[in-house]
Amino acid sequence: GQSLEQPSEVTAVEGAIVQINCTYQTSGFYGLSWYQQHDGGAPTFLSYNGLDGLEETGRFSSFLSRSDSYGYLLLQELQMKDSASYFCAVRDPRDDKIIFGKGTRLHILP
Amino acid sequence: NAGVTQTPKFQVLKTGQSMTLQCAQDMNHEYMSWYRQDPGMGLRLIHYSVGAGITDQGEVPNGYNVSRSTTEDFPLRLLSAAPSQTSVYFCASSLQGAGYGYTFGSGTRLTVV
Repeated sequence: GQSLEQPSEVTAVEGAIVQINCTYQTSGFYGLSWYQQHDGGAPTFLSYNGLDGLEETGRFSSFLSRSDSYGYLLLQELQMKDSASYFCAVRDPRDDKIIFGKGTRLHILP
Repeated sequence: NAGVTQTPKFQVLKTGQSMTLQCAQDMNHEYMSWYRQDPGMGLRLIHYSVGAGITDQGEVPNGYNVSRSTTEDFPLRLLSAAPSQTSVYFCASSLQGAGYGYTFGSGTRLTVV
C-alpha cells in the first residue's frame, strides 16, 4: 500500500519562507500532488510533480526526489491568507487510488 | 460550469437511518472519489470510480455503497448510519491521468446521533 508522512504543524512568520515536507512509502507511483485547505473549506489543487526537480508557480514551489521518496512544498513571501492545512497526495498506478497524507497545519505569525 | 456539486451541505441522522449523499460534476471527468475527513486523520478514501460502470473500494469502505451509472453522478449511500460515520464528506473529480488535480465539492457535514 501507500503511506505518506507530513509534520502535523508548522509555524512561520509573515513575509518569511516555509518548507512543508512529505515522505512517502509506495510500491510505485505517478507523482506527488499538493493541496491547500482553509478552515471550513474544501481542498484545492496546488501543484503536481511527475518528475524529479522543482516546479514553480508564483510564490509556491514544489519539489520531488524519487530516489529519496521525498518531496516538499515551499511557500515564499508568506501572507496571512496562507494560513491553512496543506496535504500531499500520491496516485497508485496499480489500482489508481489517490491517497492523502494527514496534512500539515501552517500557522503564520504577524 | 458548476464544477462539483454536493448535496446536502449539512445533515443530521439517527443511528440506523440510511441516506444518500449526492455528487454531480459537469466537467466530463472520468475519475470520481469520495473521501471522509476527521480531525487529525486527513482525507481518507471511501470509494472511487475510474469511469461510468466501474467502482472500487478505498481505504475505509465499510458501511458505504456507491454506484456510477453516468459519468456525471457518483452518489454515496450510507446503509445504516452509525455515530462513527459522523464526519465531513468530500466528493472529488478529475480527468484521468496522473498529472491532473482533483476538483472538490464543498463538502457535506454529517452528524449521526
